[in-house]
Amino acid sequence: AQSVTQPDIHITVSEGASLELRCNYSYGATPYLFWYVQSPGQGLQLLLKYFSGDTLVQGIKGFEAEFKRSQSSFNLRKPSVHWSDAAEYFCAVGAVNNDMRFGAGTRLTVKP
Amino acid sequence: EAQVTQNPRYLITVTGKKLTVTCSQNMNHEYMSWYRQDPGLGLRQIYYSMNVEVTDKGDVPEGYKVSRKEKRNFPLILESPSPNQTSLYFCASSFGPRGSETQYFGPGTRLLVL
Repeated sequence: AQSVTQPDIHITVSEGASLELRCNYSYGATPYLFWYVQSPGQGLQLLLKYFSGDTLVQGIKGFEAEFKRSQSSFNLRKPSVHWSDAAEYFCAVGAVNNDMRFGAGTRLTVKP
Repeated sequence: EAQVTQNPRYLITVTGKKLTVTCSQNMNHEYMSWYRQDPGLGLRQIYYSMNVEVTDKGDVPEGYKVSRKEKRNFPLILESPSPNQTSLYFCASSFGPRGSETQYFGPGTRLLVL
């Protein structure tokens, strides 16, 4: 079965600074990769997903992620963080057999 | 508005008292899932359903039951809740298999079992 590791439990960045959230996965075939965001008191919302093709994926709210097969990574980036980006971010890996695994999440704090 | 609704949003109960958390979606999705979220563990799959009357266990099904009698509804049943089931629960739906399709999540149900 596939697995996901988000090495950073909590990250703090200043508003306007760049952001990179790390995600590493383990899966024997080409995975389906997702980033979801959970704002306080709300459910999860899809930011972006990768299935195939261009390894740089654009998502909502100015986020992007890059799939690197050689590193088994799918890191999430944003060039300039806004205070409203404070939330918890989950990386997930899916498989064609309908299986799905989420990482433990990274909590983002944005300093004014 | 396309959405997944869950009720109740907050629930405090006592050990052994049966409870049901309802989940409903208005997007005509065939696939629905239940997850629990615990600090440091992320989301873990409890049960999922591929269509009406078709359900299967996820990674942590012990102590839970589900049913899918209508396409739009997927209730989660705790027949004899225990304190280790205190958690935040999410229902989700998707057009296709959850491993390859976008999932739409409900707002969550926070459960405390005393």
